[in-house]
Amino acid sequence: NAGVTQTPKFQVLKTGQSMTLQCAQDMNHNSMYWYRQDPGMGLRLIYYSASEGTTDKGEVPNGYNVSRLNKREFSLRLESAAPSQTSVYFCASCRDRVEKLFFGSGTQLSVL
Amino acid sequence: RKEVEQDPGPFNVPEGATVAFNCTYSNSASQSFFWYRQDCRKEPKLLMSVYSSGNEDGRFTAQLNRASQYISLLIRDSKLSDSATYLCVVNIGGSNYKLTFGKGTLLTVNP
Repeated sequence: NAGVTQTPKFQVLKTGQSMTLQCAQDMNHNSMYWYRQDPGMGLRLIYYSASEGTTDKGEVPNGYNVSRLNKREFSLRLESAAPSQTSVYFCASCRDRVEKLFFGSGTQLSVL
Repeated sequence: RKEVEQDPGPFNVPEGATVAFNCTYSNSASQSFFWYRQDCRKEPKLLMSVYSSGNEDGRFTAQLNRASQYISLLIRDSKLSDSATYLCVVNIGGSNYKLTFGKGTLLTVNP
């Protein structure tokens, strides 16, 4: 059972480049989340999807877009990367409403 | 007042010590409370939920004080393997879907 799988694990971008972070879960969870974690800031919610077909903004959505492709997959897109988006990104899922979150292993993103 | 605020730490304790972490939250409508553990360069993992009556899981005890908007985590008989960052997590405003994480408190247990 793989749980939550994120790709890539590491990425280096130049300012202005775009990229998509992929996330998939095999636990039949309804809700999925994208967080970023920065030193001294803790984990901050970017976007979440309460169920297939819905997405909502979190605390820090600016500069990001998301797609809930199906029940399993929730992607995060940076259209024009900025150095301020250098961070560790975590995808997470849970069965339904707020309860135990299962996290992926993270993506270390550097924007130069 | 920040939405979720934790002891800044770091905490350095010897093996066998008892250590307590505190956390306060700003929104009285919050209903769900958790402690997560995060090892260095790893993803967070749920340690335990926090229930109104308080709850215990082995060496770990969690307490909730709604009147003071305060939760705590007590670790007894600390082990080297307890070394990690402990994250206080709350559903701010009673949201069914959104959890807010504290910045975390780093614990190092020394031999």
